[in-house]
Amino acid sequence: DAGVIQSPRHEVTEMGQEVTLRCKPISGHNSLFWYRQTMMRGLELLIYFNNNVPIDDSGMPEDRFSAKMPNASFSTLKIQPSEPRDSAVYFCASSLTGGLRETQYFGPGTRLLVL
Amino acid sequence: TQLLEQSPQFLSIQEGENLTVYCNSSSVFSSLQWYRQEPGEGPVLLVTVVTGGEVKKLKRLTFQFGDARKDSSLHITAAQPGDTGLYLCAGVGIYNQGGKLIFGQGTELSVKP
Repeated sequence: DAGVIQSPRHEVTEMGQEVTLRCKPISGHNSLFWYRQTMMRGLELLIYFNNNVPIDDSGMPEDRFSAKMPNASFSTLKIQPSEPRDSAVYFCASSLTGGLRETQYFGPGTRLLVL
Repeated sequence: TQLLEQSPQFLSIQEGENLTVYCNSSSVFSSLQWYRQEPGEGPVLLVTVVTGGEVKKLKRLTFQFGDARKDSSLHITAAQPGDTGLYLCAGVGIYNQGGKLIFGQGTELSVKP
């Protein structure tokens, strides 16, 4: 199994530009999570999907952030327009059904730097 | 809002020493997980504890869930350089649905040979 795949691994962009992060969950997993990790705030859940439906997006910082999951094997997190404070490592994770005892498998992350 | 506080934030020790990392909250959690994250990678699950008072061992690592399910600890015996990394605790609140995890800030462990 290839695990959770994220692209790009690194992204450097200028303030105001649109950024799109991509994630392919583990095949057969029905829950997908987007996290953001910074030194100041640690690892924060942004949004999660169950069976391609957004369940909780309360962690999405503001309207500049949007996430979609058009099918079971692909999700995107978009930032438009990007700001320097969005610089962070963004992780995608997936689990089988999102249950209490389940393992969440994390991707390698996308390191975003907004200049 | 349910919060998890980890201590210490940073820990630098010599190979062979023992250490304990703590994860505390004022809230009750249905389950508590411990993850380890290496530089440039995503967190990897080490263990899940569900029952108050539960103790789980993973080689030299011992995990305990508090009786009231508000706190947890990770004890490493005879630490090795390979244990170096960021250790994160994460809990699922008792009112949460769908496996939403709340993460602690993490403990950065450095084990020097």
